[in-house]
Amino acid sequence: GEDVEQSLFLSVREGDSSVINCTYTDSSSTYLYWYKQEPGAGLQLLTYIFSNMDMKQDQRLTVLLNKKDKHLSLRIADTQTGDSAIYFCAEVSGGSYIPTFGRGTSLIVHP
Amino acid sequence: DVKVTQSSRYLVKRTGEKVFLECVQDMDHENMFWYRQDPGLGLRLIYFSYDVKMKEKGDIPEGYSVSREKKERFSLILESASTNQTSMYLCASKRDGIGTGELFFGEGSRLTVL
Repeated sequence: GEDVEQSLFLSVREGDSSVINCTYTDSSSTYLYWYKQEPGAGLQLLTYIFSNMDMKQDQRLTVLLNKKDKHLSLRIADTQTGDSAIYFCAEVSGGSYIPTFGRGTSLIVHP
Repeated sequence: DVKVTQSSRYLVKRTGEKVFLECVQDMDHENMFWYRQDPGLGLRLIYFSYDVKMKEKGDIPEGYSVSREKKERFSLILESASTNQTSMYLCASKRDGIGTGELFFGEGSRLTVL
């Protein structure tokens, strides 16, 4: 089946930028997502990008999509301790309405 | 404010017991999902439903069943709980049709099977 890969952990210092990376295999992906899961909670959509876009910016968040390399990244500027969470990359293709999730990246922000 | 509500946040059950996990959404969504989440394994799809009384197996349906008698409610059933079903269970819902395809998640039910 289709696959979404991301590293399991990322540790950054408060105030630095965080970059969380994701690769996927489905070349027919239409939407790609970043979900955030805070401790003890469910997942919440953080941002998404349509496959015909290269970049999307929303306040401190920047999403970059490289369709040729099937690579998605999420950059969080000025990372705060409140950004500590698990971040899931997900994609949905035109042939299916069920998203495929990566395993999640735990972002740890040190004061 | 849209909401997916899971009835139990924490449950402790014994091996062999029957377990019901309930999920209700108030957004009139057609599609509902049950995932389990385990450290290092991410989210794995157990079952999903695209309409009342309809269900489809996900990636790991063994040991589970589901029920969708009403549009807003999707139940996950463990007929005979086992210790390897200790996990966090997440329910989600999604609208049909054109849109971003966003999933709305409940807060999760953490099940411990002793």
